[in-house]
Amino acid sequence: AQKITQTQPGMFVQEKEAVTLDCTYDTSDQSYGLFWYKQPSSGEMIFLIYQGSYDEQNATEGRYSLNFQKARKSANLVISASQLGDSAMYFCAMREVYNQGGKLIFGQGTELSVKP
Amino acid sequence: GAGVSQTPSNKVTEKGKYVELRCDPISGHTALYWYRQSLGQGPEFLIYFQGTGAADDSGLPNDRFFAVRPEGSVSTLKIQRTERGDSAVYLCASSLTSGANVLTFGAGSRLTVL
Repeated sequence: AQKITQTQPGMFVQEKEAVTLDCTYDTSDQSYGLFWYKQPSSGEMIFLIYQGSYDEQNATEGRYSLNFQKARKSANLVISASQLGDSAMYFCAMREVYNQGGKLIFGQGTELSVKP
Repeated sequence: GAGVSQTPSNKVTEKGKYVELRCDPISGHTALYWYRQSLGQGPEFLIYFQGTGAADDSGLPNDRFFAVRPEGSVSTLKIQRTERGDSAVYLCASSLTSGANVLTFGAGSRLTVL
């Protein structure tokens, strides 16, 4: 069973507008973490934002925020004021076991294109 | 080093050959991870080290794959008798500890098996 689902293979957004990238997850654990990574064409995965399952407030990091809806098992990424440099692949990921912090399960990714 | 360094960046080999991929993590990072990313997919976990020992190798696809980290720093992923299906980008990441939230990834080693 797919643990992380990203249903949008590709998205377009106009520069300076906001965009939401969808992510749903499946786990029976009570303790888990959710992550978003950006992968530009250079290939490196860049950490963007983290949300713990017990965090009551949505995580924010600069222009990135994570819309965490626990009951719906969704962890959507919101990018505000899009910039041309935001064009990249975006991956949602989940960590199920606390001490295995780096053992992540990734979704298939969403390719974001920012138009000038 | 300032970041995670992976060599080679590109490797083309023939089916059946042996390949080694190297990862040099950020200095002081005790946890090191290997992932494999096939075309159009997200990365898939292979193995992670805490110090010198492999704490979890449950993602290694078969016994042709092996990884070592003898001194708790540099790691080498070894693939024997390569197959065309092994073609992928192999990503290495490190973190300060295994419980840390932030992984720092390298740029990857792209392996092509002809």
